[in-house]
Amino acid sequence: DIQMTQSPSSLSASVGDRVTVTCRASQGIDNYLAWYQQRPGRVPKLLIFAASTLQSGVPSRFSGSGSGTLFTLTISTLQPEDVATYYCQNYKSAPYTFGQGTKLEIK
Amino acid sequence: EVQLVESGGGLVQPGGSLRLSCAASGFTFSNYWMSWVRQAPGKGLDWVANIKQDGSEKYHVDSVKGRFTISRDNAKNSLYLQMNSLRVEDTAVYYCARWGREYYDSSGYPYWGQGTLVTVSS
Repeated sequence: DIQMTQSPSSLSASVGDRVTVTCRASQGIDNYLAWYQQRPGRVPKLLIFAASTLQSGVPSRFSGSGSGTLFTLTISTLQPEDVATYYCQNYKSAPYTFGQGTKLEIK
Repeated sequence: EVQLVESGGGLVQPGGSLRLSCAASGFTFSNYWMSWVRQAPGKGLDWVANIKQDGSEKYHVDSVKGRFTISRDNAKNSLYLQMNSLRVEDTAVYYCARWGREYYDSSGYPYWGQGTLVTVSS
């Protein structure tokens, strides 16, 4: 199975900051990667698929990049409503494993 | 509007069984791969299983193989997860999720149910 490792596990940043989360796959997954946001007490929300394609309705401050084994999620200008845990997910092959999550807080 | 509504969760003793259901509406259920994803209290997302449109292909994560079985009934627009030999570590909220924005694309899980809580405890 493909293992997904995110870093950091938690992150504290100020409103307006640029924030980057990294996801590493244990083997190459081309661009079969999705990112999700899960706000406290809420259902996960799809942000990005195919490593860099923004899901409809997601603010443009979110972006994704990468291919193969290394991927990044970037929030260009952090907003208070971005407080959440972010997960990457491999969908190159089943099981469609998730990373362990990155918890983002506001300073 | 796409809706996914899970049911069937509850408290069960270790070694027991439960059957989860997911009622789908607002889209042509038989056109989509469907999945179960779980989340233990305070923990991350854990992919459990998926099933092809016609039920001919199924995949289960190793930790549930031989114990859990995903299935579907397209006539009833329903997805199921039969869970046997339950363990304490299976305690989680179980989400039903639809794969893809459209039936022809591979774009993650844009639609999720609200989840049903399964608690395995003596």
